[in-house]
Amino acid sequence: DVKVTQSSRYLVKRTGEKVFLECVQDMDHENMFWYRQDPGLGLRLIYFSYDVKMKEKGDIPEGYSVSREKKERFSLILESASTNQTSMYLCASSLWSEPRPNTEAFFGQGTRLTVV
Amino acid sequence: RKEVEQDPGPFNVPEGATVAFNCTYSNSASQSFFWYRQDCRKEPKLLMSVYSSGNEDGRFTAQLNRASQYISLLIRDSKLSDSATYLCVVDRARSGSARQLTFGSGTQLTVLP
Repeated sequence: DVKVTQSSRYLVKRTGEKVFLECVQDMDHENMFWYRQDPGLGLRLIYFSYDVKMKEKGDIPEGYSVSREKKERFSLILESASTNQTSMYLCASSLWSEPRPNTEAFFGQGTRLTVV
Repeated sequence: RKEVEQDPGPFNVPEGATVAFNCTYSNSASQSFFWYRQDCRKEPKLLMSVYSSGNEDGRFTAQLNRASQYISLLIRDSKLSDSATYLCVVDRARSGSARQLTFGSGTQLTVLP
């Protein structure tokens, strides 16, 4: 059974703290993604990675950074957490699929982060 | 304009009803289209891919109209278990790097007994 695992389901952090969200996949997928999901806004892409040590900004990268040192692990870092980063964070992975573009994204269970 | 737009609903329908969701996308170069389902407090999961010729999976039918940049999902004979949020998902179609998926905000469906 395919699996994407996020390190925490719920997290409460203080403003200004450095926060690490970890994601591990066991499917040998090349692509990994970090989204945040907010009511009325849907899923918005923060960062993604298509290979070890490779990363690209998504739509809302400000205030975040990422790390991909190993193929199976993709970490999202909030350098200095702020209250507007309170959200549900979802990690996903998918196969590199050229030339056929139709590939399924598998999601982790999500981390609900509250910054107080 | 949003890249992927959906009617947020909510749609409240009785069991056995037929319900249709629509979605429009702005990037004419997009190649991949999907419907995902997200249950309350759960992660999104693939419901079905959408192909140009249209495709059916049991009670679910997906259609794609490239000329109008429009995707639809039809659910026949609704079940209580169909209650969820349905996300329209489109490939952002950037060349080179990873395929990015752009998600609509979702349409909430509640099937009533």
